[in-house]
Amino acid sequence: DIQMTQSPSSLSASVGDRVTITCRASQSISRHLSWYQQKPGKAPKLLISAASNLQSGVPSRFSGSGSGTDFSLTISSLQPEDFATYYCLQSYSTPPITFGQGTRLDIK
Amino acid sequence: QVQLVESGGGVVQPGGSLRLSCAASGFTFSNFGMHWVRQAPGKGLEWVAFTQFDGINKYYSVSVRGRFTISRDNSKNTLYLQMNSLRTEDTAVYYCAKSGKSEWDLSDYWGQGTPVTVSS
Repeated sequence: DIQMTQSPSSLSASVGDRVTITCRASQSISRHLSWYQQKPGKAPKLLISAASNLQSGVPSRFSGSGSGTDFSLTISSLQPEDFATYYCLQSYSTPPITFGQGTRLDIK
Repeated sequence: QVQLVESGGGVVQPGGSLRLSCAASGFTFSNFGMHWVRQAPGKGLEWVAFTQFDGINKYYSVSVRGRFTISRDNSKNTLYLQMNSLRTEDTAVYYCAKSGKSEWDLSDYWGQGTPVTVSS
């Protein structure tokens, strides 16, 4: 199975900061990488698919990049509603599809 | 609009069984694969099972294979997860999710989740 390793596991930042979360796959997954945002008590929300495709309705301050084994999610200017937990997900080598362990983004 | 509504969660003793349901609306259910994903309390997301659009091919995580069965009734637009031989480590919120562009992609359409607690 492909393992997905996110870093950092947690992060404290301030409104207006630029933040980057990384995700590393244990083997190449091409660009079969998605990013999800999850708030407490809610289902995950898809932000980015195919490594860099921003979903409709997602603010342009979110961006994704990478291919192969190394990927990143960047939030260019943090807003109060962005404080949440973020997960990467690989869907290249299946089954199973595998999530990263999550990155909790807190207000500093 | 697409809606997925899970039901059937609850409290069950170790070794017991539960059947979860996911009622789908707002899209042609019989055209899409469907997934179950779970989240243990305070933990991350874990993929559980997948069924293709026609219900013929089914896949499971190692942690549930042989104990859980995913199925679907396309005439009722409903997805199921039969969970047998439940263990305490199966305690989680269970989400159903619609496949995306590729059947193994997860879309942005998830249910609200149904909680399952396995405890004596």
